[in-house]
Amino acid sequence: SAVISQKPSRDICQRGTSLTIQCQVDSQVTMMFWYRQQPGQSLTLIATANQGSEATYESGFVIDKFPISRPNLTFSTLTVSNMSPEDSSIYLCSVVGLGAEAFFGQGTRLTVV
Amino acid sequence: AQSVTQLDSQVPVFEEAPVELRCNYSSSVSVYLFWYVQYPNQGLQLLLKYLSGSTLVKGINGFEAEFNKSQTSFHLRKPSVHISDTAEYFCAVTPLGGATNKLIFGTGTLLAVQP
Repeated sequence: SAVISQKPSRDICQRGTSLTIQCQVDSQVTMMFWYRQQPGQSLTLIATANQGSEATYESGFVIDKFPISRPNLTFSTLTVSNMSPEDSSIYLCSVVGLGAEAFFGQGTRLTVV
Repeated sequence: AQSVTQLDSQVPVFEEAPVELRCNYSSSVSVYLFWYVQYPNQGLQLLLKYLSGSTLVKGINGFEAEFNKSQTSFHLRKPSVHISDTAEYFCAVTPLGGATNKLIFGTGTLLAVQP
């Protein structure tokens, strides 16, 4: 199993500003995943973060809006840039274990006002 | 491409009654299947998974699921629910042999257990 710590756990931000979410894993992993869960919705993959290369973004998500860093094998950050109320969501960091199951952080609950 | 359908957005049930949460998937390749639970204001926790072998898999908290390849289904069941089982349940798949292990989630089913 993997233990994932996310910071901050929640935040209220002004529109037009940016928020950086941190994800720390207790073991080295090749890939880390960032998901968004909009209110009352399911999870949607934003991007896959690989150490040493640029993140791979899913359709509908772009690097300018959601820049990702992956400086080493245990840490990643997701920035939500130039926020609007539509960005209010839960953002979750995830890694995949040896048994193919995903482990998730507790999430960052973002409210944009 | 893969997709996951959870037809029931909400399932109300009385305590100690049995429950089944339905999940169907679509994929042109073989997949691994998962059920996750999300309690209020918490992250996701793995309930159970099917990778291969026996089609009936048992998970935590008394839940089990049966993989039916011909019907492309992976329904979740529990013979007797408790109030504490009230949560959102997500079915998910990941394709075998893909370049990544990304998950494709269904829209979720809210299990509402009533006393």
